[in-house]
Amino acid sequence: NAGVTQTPKFQVLKTGQSMTLQCAQDMNHEYMSWYRQDPGMGLRLIHYSVGAGITDQGEVPNGYNVSRSTTEDFPLRLLSAAPSQTSVYFCASSYFYRGEKETQYFGPGTRLLVL
Amino acid sequence: GQQLNQSPQSMFIQEGEDVSMNCTSSSIFNTWLWYKQDPGEGPVLLIALYKAGELTSNGRLTAQFGITRKDSFLNISASIPSDVGIYFCAGQGGTSYGKLTFGQGTILTVHP
Repeated sequence: NAGVTQTPKFQVLKTGQSMTLQCAQDMNHEYMSWYRQDPGMGLRLIHYSVGAGITDQGEVPNGYNVSRSTTEDFPLRLLSAAPSQTSVYFCASSYFYRGEKETQYFGPGTRLLVL
Repeated sequence: GQQLNQSPQSMFIQEGEDVSMNCTSSSIFNTWLWYKQDPGEGPVLLIALYKAGELTSNGRLTAQFGITRKDSFLNISASIPSDVGIYFCAGQGGTSYGKLTFGQGTILTVHP
């Protein structure tokens, strides 16, 4: 298994540009999430999905859109990039053990710089 | 919303020393997870805890799920240079499946 993969690894955008961060997992996990990591602030949840066709907002959703058309893929879209969106973005997927327990696995991250 | 306080923020220790860090929550969690992040990498799961009072080990690492379900600690015994990194706690509560709340992280530096 490749686990959770993310592309691109690095990206530089100009203010106002749009782009899509790709995330894929091959573990048949039901749940997928997007986090951003800023210095001194840990990881903050942007959006998450509990299955294909179902998404919901996390702690910091503004400026980001998501969709989940398949179990494997969960892309994150920046519609109009702003310097405040400069961050490291992590995608994660998780499963339930016996319907009660959750373990999340993370991708390697996408480093985004918005000028 | 749920908040996690992780302490200490950073630690500077000598190789061979033991390390202890903890997280406290303003609300009850059903799951506590401990991750380690190396520079330029994504967080890697170290230990998962699912039951209040649970004590789990993974090599030199030991973590416990607090009885009140509002706290957890991670101990590292006999630290080695490769233990350097950022350690995060994360919690999941209620029916918030797929949503983790993270602590701010503990930066660990180990001097040979």
